[in-house]
Amino acid sequence: GENVEQHPSTLSVQEGDSAVIKCTYSDSASNYFPWYKQELGKGPQLIIDIRSNVGEKKDQRIAVTLNKTAKHFSLHITETQPEDSAVYFCAASRGTYKYIFGTGTRLKVLA
Amino acid sequence: DAGVTQSPTHLIKTRGQQVTLRCSPKSGHDTVSWYQQALGQGPQFIFQYYEEEERQRGNFPDRFSGHQFPNYSSELNVNALLLGDSALYLCASSSGTSGSVASNEQFFGPGTRLTVL
Repeated sequence: GENVEQHPSTLSVQEGDSAVIKCTYSDSASNYFPWYKQELGKGPQLIIDIRSNVGEKKDQRIAVTLNKTAKHFSLHITETQPEDSAVYFCAASRGTYKYIFGTGTRLKVLA
Repeated sequence: DAGVTQSPTHLIKTRGQQVTLRCSPKSGHDTVSWYQQALGQGPQFIFQYYEEEERQRGNFPDRFSGHQFPNYSSELNVNALLLGDSALYLCASSSGTSGSVASNEQFFGPGTRLTVL
């Protein structure tokens, strides 16, 4: 069935270092890959997304890469700050329909 | 723009009871999706409503049902509550217009925390 695997489950980095979170999807028809940040007690917030016709997208300190052949996509956060600490979820989707979410990565940025 | 709003924020019910959760989509959005997020897990898709009809459904039993109103707001109903239904219920809105570049993006509300005792 449709599945998204996400690694690592927890990640601790020193402030200023980079963080990388990786996801693998199973449905080859997936064409949209959003990343969400979820803080305690809040709903997920979209931080960046990528479509299947693009290999990389960057927005300030955040970038996402997509390898369609391997069905892998990754989130890269550079120059991490304490406010980046949260749970991050990747997801895969076909068009306008349901998202299949990964299991989440708890990122801790140590000051 | 108030974004996606959900009510209530928290809810406590006992096993066997029924519950109704409510969602108002972001302005300009016509599609509402519901997700269940168990503690420490990623959100799981329940169903999606577009033009007042259920467009797609995830692997949830018939105890879970929904409705969408003409103003695009939506309700999630759960009957015969089980302990395992305790979770954060998230509503997400998007634009369902086919062909729209922006239609993939789903914006989430803060969720309703349901506790079943």
